[in-house]
Amino acid sequence: KNEVEQSPQNLTAQEGEFITINCSYSVGISALHWLQQHPGGGIVSLFMLSSGKKKHGRLIATINIQEKHSSLHITASHPRDSAVYICAVIRGGSEKLVFGKGTKLTVNP
Amino acid sequence: GAGVSQSPSNKVTEKGKDVELRCDPISGHTALYWYRQRLGQGLEFLIYFQGNSAPDKSGLPSDRFSAERTGESVSTLTIQRTQQEDSAVYLCASSLGGPVQQYFGPGTRLTVT
Repeated sequence: KNEVEQSPQNLTAQEGEFITINCSYSVGISALHWLQQHPGGGIVSLFMLSSGKKKHGRLIATINIQEKHSSLHITASHPRDSAVYICAVIRGGSEKLVFGKGTKLTVNP
Repeated sequence: GAGVSQSPSNKVTEKGKDVELRCDPISGHTALYWYRQRLGQGLEFLIYFQGNSAPDKSGLPSDRFSAERTGESVSTLTIQRTQQEDSAVYLCASSLGGPVQQYFGPGTRLTVT
């Protein structure tokens, strides 16, 4: 079993829909990252969080440390949000990222 | 300011040849990470540097892979006697160290023919 599990694996939405991507992990962590990988391959770090909730524009990330679960929400989705969203955790006592397999999001106009 | 840069952006090499991939981190970032993404696969950790030392090399897939960092700046990932399964995008990231945001470079796409 992977240490970091994401769901769904693929997600197709219509423009304007509210999107939720889930991440569960099985190890103790010091922080969790949400990353965005565009079709061209470039990776952008969206959020790093160790507790609570963060918001940036239409993106919201939450984490529940006790339940070992995080969610990424996109409000009012747009075709330019189409990308692969990757959850990654930093294990406690380490600095390396352990990655989920990613969620491919397609937002249709 | 300048982000993380990597060179070359693309590299095609014949099986059995050695290759060197370069990463220039953001100035002042003490931590540097190498990751690999094979086609259709997720990202996997290779090695990380704190300063010029590598506390965690656990992700290097074989002894054909090595990396070094000098001057707490540029890092080179070397793959000796390349194999077709080494074909992947090799990504570098840097950070201020610790559980903080990592900044990714554009990657080097390596194709071994």
